[in-house]
Amino acid sequence: EVQLVQSGAEVKKPGESLKISCKGSGYSFTSYWIGWVRQMPGKGLEWMGIIYPGDSDTRYSPSFQGQVTISADKSISTAYLQWSSLKASDTAMYYCARHEEARRSIDYWGQGTLVTVSS
Amino acid sequence: QSALTQPPSASGSPGQSVTISCTGTSSDVGGYNYVSWYQQHPGKAPKLMIYEVSKRPSGVPDRFSGSKSGNTASLTVSGLQAEDEADYYCSSYAGSNNFVFGTGTKVTVL
Repeated sequence: EVQLVQSGAEVKKPGESLKISCKGSGYSFTSYWIGWVRQMPGKGLEWMGIIYPGDSDTRYSPSFQGQVTISADKSISTAYLQWSSLKASDTAMYYCARHEEARRSIDYWGQGTLVTVSS
Repeated sequence: QSALTQPPSASGSPGQSVTISCTGTSSDVGGYNYVSWYQQHPGKAPKLMIYEVSKRPSGVPDRFSGSKSGNTASLTVSGLQAEDEADYYCSSYAGSNNFVFGTGTKVTVL
């Protein structure tokens, strides 16, 4: 069974750094692109970017380029989303999502990680 | 790349049909047959309902159908049921392994 299990909710202050994780299981982690999707409170889905764990090829939405870093450790089947300096506007639910390359669609989603940034 | 445009809301009575549009550009919706639709219930992760414009994953009822004409894709839910009340998002491939979501549509079953 394919599963994406994300790390727990975080409460941070503006300016702090953060790295959240997404562990894949039940499939070949290095053979699928895995990405991140933001959903701000009461708002829609926003595609942030993806990484191919097999060779660490990474693509970012222009809206998120330079704002976050996506990485992966294939030895432990885990993808990461990282901020160096959080802002209040980063408060959102973040989903990791496995991309099915041939179908260009997201076939599995993590349960979401709620990030709250507040002073 | 800008978000694809969807109507904020749509509604129908049980048994009726509702159609949601998703308008993009020739760089995304119009340029590729890779439009997907996702259903999201409150507090839950999204679920894939349609991929490659009109294909249904295993387990998705055939009440859900998709189509595309030019830069606009559409999702039709026929025979509306109470459990279809949710937010629906389209998504399109935009080239170079980039993707874009739609603005989302809240479907209400009256």
